[in-house]
Amino acid sequence: DTEVTQTPKHLVMGMTNKKSLKCEQHMGHRAMYWYKQKAKKPPELMFVYSYEKLSINESVPSRFSPECPNSSLLNLHLHALQPEDSALYLCASSKGALSGRRTDTQYFGPGTRLTVL
Amino acid sequence: GQNIDQPTEMTATEGAIVQINCTYQTSGFNGLFWYQQHAGEAPTFLSYNVLDGLEEKGRFSSFLSRSKGYSYLLLKELQMKDSASYLCAVRVGFSGGYNKLIFGAGTRLAVHP
Repeated sequence: DTEVTQTPKHLVMGMTNKKSLKCEQHMGHRAMYWYKQKAKKPPELMFVYSYEKLSINESVPSRFSPECPNSSLLNLHLHALQPEDSALYLCASSKGALSGRRTDTQYFGPGTRLTVL
Repeated sequence: GQNIDQPTEMTATEGAIVQINCTYQTSGFNGLFWYQQHAGEAPTFLSYNVLDGLEEKGRFSSFLSRSKGYSYLLLKELQMKDSASYLCAVRVGFSGGYNKLIFGAGTRLAVHP
């Protein structure tokens, strides 16, 4: 089973709203990732958590706030977003240190399509 | 800097063979991944190369030459469902229990009857 789930599938929010995106995996993976993908562009890494600790923040604006409450869950809290933040937000997970380095493939969830009005 | 190049678009005929090339210049290399992404869906893992040579998986094969900074994905016996974007991704970091991928812009493949 290589399933990563994300909720909601679609989200429309105003610039003053606060909302959260949720990601869940039950594969025992210890690394989790948030990516942003604009139309016809590649995924861009935003954050990486390893063993529930933030390991990479790719200079993401503070209006995006990640949280990893446990090894299976990853949240992305959104506040005061701009219309240019509209995109597909993808979550991914990988085994991390358990993989023995060789592949450590990242498996992606279906994404949340976010529209900021 | 990080630079990964792929053709933007390709077309092919059902039943044919197509080769999608990827060249990379990155600060660090720890493997190359190919993902398939249908429009509006998540990328799905296709193949992984870390050593030079060819890896074969059913209708899909991937080749890597580290000295040339070059990879290709070969799709055989094309089917209509293979119409998708194909993303080349280089792993540029692997430490502390996670890995960092840099993605190319992707190649949109259209398969025609």
